[in-house]
Amino acid sequence: GAVVSQHPSRVICKSGTSVKIECRSLDFQATTMFWYRQFPKQSLMLMATSNEGSKATYEQGVEKDKFLINHASLTLSTLTVTSAHPEDSSFYICSASRQQLYGYTFGSGTRLTVV
Amino acid sequence: DQQVKQNSPSLSVQEGRISILNCDYTNSMFDYFLWYKKYPAEGPTFLISISSIKDKNEDGRFTVFLNKSAKHLSLHIVPSQPGDSAVYFCAAGGKGAQKLVFGQGTRLTINP
Repeated sequence: GAVVSQHPSRVICKSGTSVKIECRSLDFQATTMFWYRQFPKQSLMLMATSNEGSKATYEQGVEKDKFLINHASLTLSTLTVTSAHPEDSSFYICSASRQQLYGYTFGSGTRLTVV
Repeated sequence: DQQVKQNSPSLSVQEGRISILNCDYTNSMFDYFLWYKKYPAEGPTFLISISSIKDKNEDGRFTVFLNKSAKHLSLHIVPSQPGDSAVYFCAAGGKGAQKLVFGQGTRLTINP
């Protein structure tokens, strides 16, 4: 149980365009999902906490207008990178959890390359 | 402010031996700790967790030790297997808060 599906796994887009990444909890309801970003050889950096039915909570330094998060249902959260630039190229990962000590289940990640 | 630190970026261990990965934290309000394993271009996979009320949790080849006075935890893998080669992240969470703080990761390589 506790499967999180993330799509797409890899996307290449042109500068200035927008990209949407989906995160779905397949076998449980997640009122809260998390979006992370990982640069090469670095740690996972939390970008925002996605709350079903309400606005996302962004970490300090993360531009909310650039990284739009929508959590329209208990099983789906989306991250849209707007007006993407090459510096947005990174590995984006979502996660969700039912119970803390059973671990947060992560999606498989999305490799975004902006050219 | 790095609240969770993994000071060893890499570790190399011979197959069959014990692998010990270390993690230090600074925030005494952390309530639980987790270890994740990550392969390249994949999301992290949960390995094992421990509550702050315990000092040890064991699951098969994996054991996590927590020393609250030293604000230190470690993951022991024994015996180490080639499939254990990956990047290991420790993470910490606070009571009532759901977001996790991750360490920088340690790349473990198991040599045959």
